[in-house]
Amino acid sequence: SAVISQKPSRDICQRGTSLTIQCQVDSQVTMMFWYRQQPGQSLTLIATANQGSEATYESGFVIDKFPISRPNLTFSTLTVSNMSPEDSSIYLCSVFTGVNTEAFFGQGTRLTVV
Amino acid sequence: AQSVTQLDSQVPVFEEAPVELRCNYSSSVSVYLFWYVQYPNQGLQLLLKYLSGSTLVKGINGFEAEFNKSQTSFHLRKPSVHISDTAEYFCAVSETGGYNKLIFGAGTRLAVHP
Repeated sequence: SAVISQKPSRDICQRGTSLTIQCQVDSQVTMMFWYRQQPGQSLTLIATANQGSEATYESGFVIDKFPISRPNLTFSTLTVSNMSPEDSSIYLCSVFTGVNTEAFFGQGTRLTVV
Repeated sequence: AQSVTQLDSQVPVFEEAPVELRCNYSSSVSVYLFWYVQYPNQGLQLLLKYLSGSTLVKGINGFEAEFNKSQTSFHLRKPSVHISDTAEYFCAVSETGGYNKLIFGAGTRLAVHP
């Protein structure tokens, strides 16, 4: 299994500012995933982060808006840039572990943009 | 590309009654299938997963699901629900081979009434 810690757990931000979300895993993992869960909706994958290479973004998400860092095998950050109220969501970090067939999730960061 | 359809957005049920949450998927390649549960204001927890082998999969909290390849379905069942089962349930799919992203369905809100 994997224990994932996300910080902050929640935040209220002013529009036009940026927020960086941290994800720390208790074991080394090859790939980390960032998801967005908009209010009352399902999870949508933002990007996949490999250590030592640029993140791979899904359709509809761009690096300028959601820059990601992956400096080592246990840590990643997601920045939500130039925020607007539409960015109000829960952002979740996820990893695969074991035989790579089970994904574990952090508790999420609940972001409100005002 | 894969997609997941959860046929019911909300399922109300009385305590101790049986329940079935329906999930259909679409994929041109072999997939793994998952059910996750999200309790209010919490992260996601894996209920069960189908990787290969027996099509009937048993998970935690008395839940089980049956993989039907011809119907491309992976319905979740529980013979007798409790109030504590009230939560959001997500069906998800990933390509086989490990390290692959999860694609989620829209979710089904299970509301158990006394």
